[in-house]
Parts: sequence; structure tokens; C-alpha cells
Amino acid sequence: EAGVAQSPRYKIIEKRQSVAFWCNPISGHATLYWYQQILGQGPKLLIQFQNNGVVDDSQLPKDRFSAERLKGVDSTLKIQPAKLEDSAVYLCASSLRPRGSGTEAFFGQGTRLTVV
Amino acid sequence: DAKTTQPTSMDCAEGRAANLPCNHSTISGNEYVYWYRQIHSQGPQYIIHGLKNNETNEMASLIITEDRKSSTLILPHATLRDTAVYYCIVRETNSGGSNYKLTFGKGTLLTVNP
Repeated sequence: EAGVAQSPRYKIIEKRQSVAFWCNPISGHATLYWYQQILGQGPKLLIQFQNNGVVDDSQLPKDRFSAERLKGVDSTLKIQPAKLEDSAVYLCASSLRPRGSGTEAFFGQGTRLTVV
Repeated sequence: DAKTTQPTSMDCAEGRAANLPCNHSTISGNEYVYWYRQIHSQGPQYIIHGLKNNETNEMASLIITEDRKSSTLILPHATLRDTAVYYCIVRETNSGGSNYKLTFGKGTLLTVNP
């Protein structure tokens, strides 16, 4: 079974530029998550999708971050404009369903973003 | 904020059992305990989860106390490849009540020594 795919693996941009990350979840997984992991900390949930609808974006800095999941499959996370403090690893995860069995989330390798 | 407390770091000898503790004294009756680990430069990897009964799979065993206020993850025969940050997570219902979410803390860095 193929895992969660993310691209790019690494990205370096200047502050105030924009950047986008792509995620392809495991086939058939209805729930998709984007996490931000700053060096030395645990991952922090940014946004959670159920199919193509947002169910939790309470920690997403909406003035600069946006995410979409068209057709309930692939997802993109965008930052515009980027700040130095956005330097982090951005992790995508998916789970089969949000409730009951099959809720364990599987993570991709992440995209390491460096803002200079 | 994470609802769990874990030691910052632990050491274990290769081939020995690694016992990683976790406190979750404010856990609610229907909240599950999940364990993930993160090897350097990789995404977190699911290990095991449980509600109140002890659980075992091919990777580890999870022992949850009867009052559910703490748990222990056991790696029966630790290898060098088990060196990682281990996260104990209480799975919470998000604000809408329709879905679950995982809130990570800082975890425990387990170092397996030769």
C-alpha cells in the first residue's frame, strides 16, 4: 500500500515570498491533516479535512495560510506571504475515517521549509 | 495543549525492554491513548492505541492503568533502529464534536545504546 506522498521534500524561499506544498493521501482515506513542526517541538495541527470539507482550522493563521482539498483527494497548503517564523517541517497525514476504527493517522515524510 | 506528560529523554540498552511512561490524569472516559514515534527526519509513525484494556501488536505493547491516568509503552527487545522521539497522545474530539484530533506534546527521546 502506497503511503502519504508529499512534495517538495525541501524548499528555501525569501521572506514575503509565497510557497505551496502538495499532499496525496493514502487511497480511500477520507480524513486529511496538515501539521506544522518547528524544530524541537511536536507537530501542531493546522487544518483537518473530512473529504473536501474543513472540520478544524482553529490553529491555521488564516491571514497568510490557506489550504484546499479539491475533490476530496489531493490537498495543497499555501503560505503567502511567508515569514521567518514559518520555517518548519510541514507534515501531511491521512486516516481512513474520523471516528470508530481506522482513525490512526499515517504521515508523509514532510516538506522542510526554510524562510531566509 | 497536550493532555499528557512524558519524560524528556530515556536510555535503553540494545536487546532490553524499553518501558516508556506517560501520565494523562485528566483523560476522559471515552478518550483513547495513542502512541506514535518519529525517527529523525521522518514523519511520525503510528505504533499502537488503546482505551482501557492492554493492547499488543507486532511493534509494541500498551499497558493502561485501571484508573486510566497513566500508561506505559513497552518495546520488548529494543534495537538501535528504535531510537526516536515517542509521543503519547490522548485523542480528543475537536470543537465541533464530529471528528477526532491528535495533539502532540514534545514526547520522549528514547536512545537505544549498543
